[in-house]
Amino acid sequence: DTGVSQDPRHKITKRGQNVTFRCDPISEHNRLYWYRQTLGQGPEFLTYFQNEAQLEKSRLLSDRFSAERPKGSFSTLEIQRTEQGDSAMYLCASSHVLGETGELFFGEGSRLTVL
Amino acid sequence: QQPVQSPQAVILREGEDAVINCSSSKALYSVHWYRQKHGEAPVFLMILLKGGEQKGHEKISASFNEKKQQSSLYLTASQLSYSGTYFCGTEFGGGNKLTFGTGTQLKVEL
Repeated sequence: DTGVSQDPRHKITKRGQNVTFRCDPISEHNRLYWYRQTLGQGPEFLTYFQNEAQLEKSRLLSDRFSAERPKGSFSTLEIQRTEQGDSAMYLCASSHVLGETGELFFGEGSRLTVL
Repeated sequence: QQPVQSPQAVILREGEDAVINCSSSKALYSVHWYRQKHGEAPVFLMILLKGGEQKGHEKISASFNEKKQQSSLYLTASQLSYSGTYFCGTEFGGGNKLTFGTGTQLKVEL
């Protein structure tokens, strides 16, 4: 069990560019979540998957954001035409939930800076 | 819908106790507690479910008042390692999708 890994850990980009983050969950975890965290705030829910199905996407999430989880393993989060307001830490978490709720295992995050 | 945490910050001397509160305006399915140290990922502490079930680490205790939609995290005999920001995460409809509060910064000093 190597934990949740995220790549890259840091990304600096210019406004208007596209960026993609990758998350590798703990193997056999069926649920995968993306959160965004800004300084001094709690993580904000973006979207989540159960296996390969994207079950929910935050209504606050712009259409510039898209996430995939092909084959129910790793996931990618893409941000198109980045804006300075997108600067944040993007956290991925996974869980193995037999019932409805369980512990989330977070990765260390991908920090995005948009210049 | 974001839960409200209190206090926003607290400083303790090692060995002292603290209580962190989390309140929601909506009916809750569960309350989760996480601790995040600076520059690190949030780490799970406790889940409290409707009906009284709890899952968590042995040295952490918490309560969940379903009628008031409130949860409290009890930190006793604090240690330096308890320092960090504590977040409650509230779940309304299952799916393990959490709405996190703004956090409580805890600092334990010698």
